[in-house]
Amino acid sequence: GAGVSQSPSNKVTEKGKDVELRCDPISGHTALYWYRQSLGQGLEFLIYFQGNSAPDKSGLPSDRFSAERTGGSVSTLTIQRTQQEDSAVYLCASSKPGTNNEQFFGPGTRLTVL
Amino acid sequence: GQSLEQPSEVTAVEGAIVQINCTYQTSGFYGLSWYQQHDGGAPTFLSYNALDGLEETGRFSSFLSRSDSYGYLLLQELQMKDSASYFCAARGGQNFVFGPGTRLSVLP
Repeated sequence: GAGVSQSPSNKVTEKGKDVELRCDPISGHTALYWYRQSLGQGLEFLIYFQGNSAPDKSGLPSDRFSAERTGGSVSTLTIQRTQQEDSAVYLCASSKPGTNNEQFFGPGTRLTVL
Repeated sequence: GQSLEQPSEVTAVEGAIVQINCTYQTSGFYGLSWYQQHDGGAPTFLSYNALDGLEETGRFSSFLSRSDSYGYLLLQELQMKDSASYFCAARGGQNFVFGPGTRLSVLP
């Protein structure tokens, strides 16, 4: 079956512009996660959705970051007024009901802010 | 706070056995997961320990000791394709924390 998909695969933007990143989880997966990974670094947790609801948004780095999920499926991560330090690979993952421990990752969106 | 610690690098030769350790400090600990990530690729799930003890999956095994807040990933019969970064991960409340990763280099 289809895995987690993310779009775009690459995004180059200018400082100050807004960007929107999209994630399509595996069908039937109720939980969805967003992470950020800088080159050669570990994964930084951003936000987690159970269904359409995000119990804790404290992982988002600043108020320029927001995320939503609709219909228990697609999620978008929006970064407003991008800064150079936002440059990273943004990874999305999903998991089956009741199994947060096994997450299936998408290929990521590489964001470059000039 | 919530944190996981791992060695930054490990080197071993083909056919050898290597152990990657992970110590953690999280609130509301559920269990420890392990992921593999090749350069340029996405993380892929390897194993999960909810209870103390050893879980074996083929050449890979993972161990957890809740009393010591410690776990490890054991890779046996190393192959060149095992060269990758390995991350331990844990859930703390509504957050999912990954360790900084251990870069494994397998030499011929």
